[in-house]
Amino acid sequence: SYQLTQPPSLSVYPGQTATITCSGDKLGEKYASWYQQKPGQSPVLVIYQDTKRPSGIPERFSGSNSGNTATLTIGGTQGMDEADYYCQAWDRTTVAFGGGTKLTVL
Amino acid sequence: QVRLQESGPGLVKPSETLSLTCSVSGYSITSGFYWGWIRQPPGKGLEWIGSISHSGAAYYNASLKSRLTISVDTSRNEFSLMLTSVTAADTAVYFCARFGEFVFDFWGQGTTVTVSS
Repeated sequence: SYQLTQPPSLSVYPGQTATITCSGDKLGEKYASWYQQKPGQSPVLVIYQDTKRPSGIPERFSGSNSGNTATLTIGGTQGMDEADYYCQAWDRTTVAFGGGTKLTVL
Repeated sequence: QVRLQESGPGLVKPSETLSLTCSVSGYSITSGFYWGWIRQPPGKGLEWIGSISHSGAAYYNASLKSRLTISVDTSRNEFSLMLTSVTAADTAVYFCARFGEFVFDFWGQGTTVTVSS
């Protein structure tokens, strides 16, 4: 099965840029997506097809994907961005999720 | 707006079968896309269970495939999950979601299933 690896945690101060990585074999050749999940809630799609933002997602959320690493960047992080973030990719007939990164806004 | 709602027993005994249904509103399953199940054990990350098209073409997580059946009922605009021989490791919040353009774009609120005698 296809494996995606994320750092377990990341801490940033308000206003700083948060960068969350997701690594997988030749991930750059697949589409990467990112979900935000707050406690007790369903995941929310924040980035799809590497760089696209769904309607209603703030512009401070951006994504990139190249080589073996996809990256979610949150510019000017706000307290409301504190959440778990999961990357996801589609490989042949399998959906893979990363293990998740807990973002703490200090 | 696409809405999904999971339903089913919140408690299942070990070795028995877990059955859940996802009702879809605001979109006809026959119009396209795949429809999937994802679960999240307490305090852990997301795990893809499987996905199915309106025509019944299904893809399963290899680790669950021997115990898993996902089916679709287009007349009711819903799809279902059956997981046999459950153990405590199957205790989780189970989500249903629409899978399109390689992503899950609409999610249900999730339903908690506990496996315990």
